[in-house]
Amino acid sequence: DIQMTQSPSSLSASVGDRVTITCRASQSISSYLNWYQQKPGKAPNLLIYAASGLQSGVPSRFSGSGSGTYFTLTINSLQPEDFATYYCQQNYNTPVTFGQGTKVEIK
Amino acid sequence: QVQLQESGPGLVEPSQTLSLTCTVSGGSISSGSYYWSWIRQPAGKGLEWIGRVYITGSTNYNPSLKSRVTISIDTSKNQFSLKLSSVTAADTAVYYCARLSGAVRWGQGTLVTVSS
Repeated sequence: DIQMTQSPSSLSASVGDRVTITCRASQSISSYLNWYQQKPGKAPNLLIYAASGLQSGVPSRFSGSGSGTYFTLTINSLQPEDFATYYCQQNYNTPVTFGQGTKVEIK
Repeated sequence: QVQLQESGPGLVEPSQTLSLTCTVSGGSISSGSYYWSWIRQPAGKGLEWIGRVYITGSTNYNPSLKSRVTISIDTSKNQFSLKLSSVTAADTAVYYCARLSGAVRWGQGTLVTVSS
């Protein structure tokens, strides 16, 4: 199985801050990496596909980069509605695996 | 726009079989070369992929659950299903159906509690 390791597990930030979350794969996954945002009681919502593609309807303050084993999700100018948990997910091969999540909290 | 909706019992007794169905609306489950997945999330924890089915009926399962999981597809009903046998309290979770490729879509999720 490909292990996906996110860091940090949680962070506190203020509105307007720039936030970066990292995701490392235990082996190369090329660009087969998605990023999701999840709010309590809701299904995950796709933000970024194929490592850097911005999903339609997602604000441009979200961006993704990376390939191989190292990926980042950046949120520029954090907004109140961005406080949530974020997950990376690889679909390079099965089993599909997710990172453990990064909870973004209000400072 | 394709939408997914999970359905099934919210309470399952220990040692019994959990059965859920995902109904796809707004498009044919057979159109496009998509896999249809099940994912679960225990309360306060992360996401665990259970397995997936292709329109041909071909399946892939998470090795951690493989011995207990069966996923099937019924293209005539535009549905795919999950069966998880010999459940314990550790299987209590919100279960999601999803399409994780192409235009990604998730169902809203359904809570399944394993308890007597």
